[in-house]
Amino acid sequence: NAGVTQTPKFQVLKTGQSMTLQCAQDMNHEYMSWYRQDPGMGLRLIHYSVGAGITDQGEVPNGYNVSRSTTEDFPLRLLSAAPSQTSVYFCASTTPRLAGAIGELFFGEGSRLTVL
Amino acid sequence: KQEVTQIPAALSVPEGENLVLNCSFTDSAIYNLQWFRQDPGKGLTSLLLIQSSQREQTSGRLNASLDKSSGRSTLYIAASQPGDSATYLCAGGSSGSARQLTFGSGTQLTVLP
Repeated sequence: NAGVTQTPKFQVLKTGQSMTLQCAQDMNHEYMSWYRQDPGMGLRLIHYSVGAGITDQGEVPNGYNVSRSTTEDFPLRLLSAAPSQTSVYFCASTTPRLAGAIGELFFGEGSRLTVL
Repeated sequence: KQEVTQIPAALSVPEGENLVLNCSFTDSAIYNLQWFRQDPGKGLTSLLLIQSSQREQTSGRLNASLDKSSGRSTLYIAASQPGDSATYLCAGGSSGSARQLTFGSGTQLTVLP
């Protein structure tokens, strides 16, 4: 069982370039999310989705775009990369509990992005 | 907005010692609280999830407690081992925003042989 798979694991971009971080899960989870992890700041939520066709913003959505066309996939797009987006990005998924609350989160291994 | 704090940022203990990691949160209307482990260069692994109606959860040598009135959760690790060395993070979801978890910055634990 692969769980949550992220690609690529490492990426270097130049300022202004665009790219897509891929995330796929094979656990039939309705809820998927993207976080960024920066030193001393913990993980911050970028965007999340509660099902195919439904997305919403988290704490730090600016500069990022998402879509959810299938249950399995939740790509994160950087529209015009900036040095401030240098970070480690994590995708996570779960099956929502009562009232839509988040259950046990399953994380991918992360994608380390450097923007020059 | 939920804020989550973990102190200390780093902790070093000798092997075999029992230890407690602390997590504080500001919104007592917490829906649930999760504890995670992160190894260097890896993703997070969920250790324990405590619902707001529960006071504690146990898994093997790990025990997590939740006290909503004081805004605190603790992770107790019994008989620590070098393999327990990792960063431990807690995360809470408020009832007003149950679909969003707020993470603490983590405690980096080193268990010395």
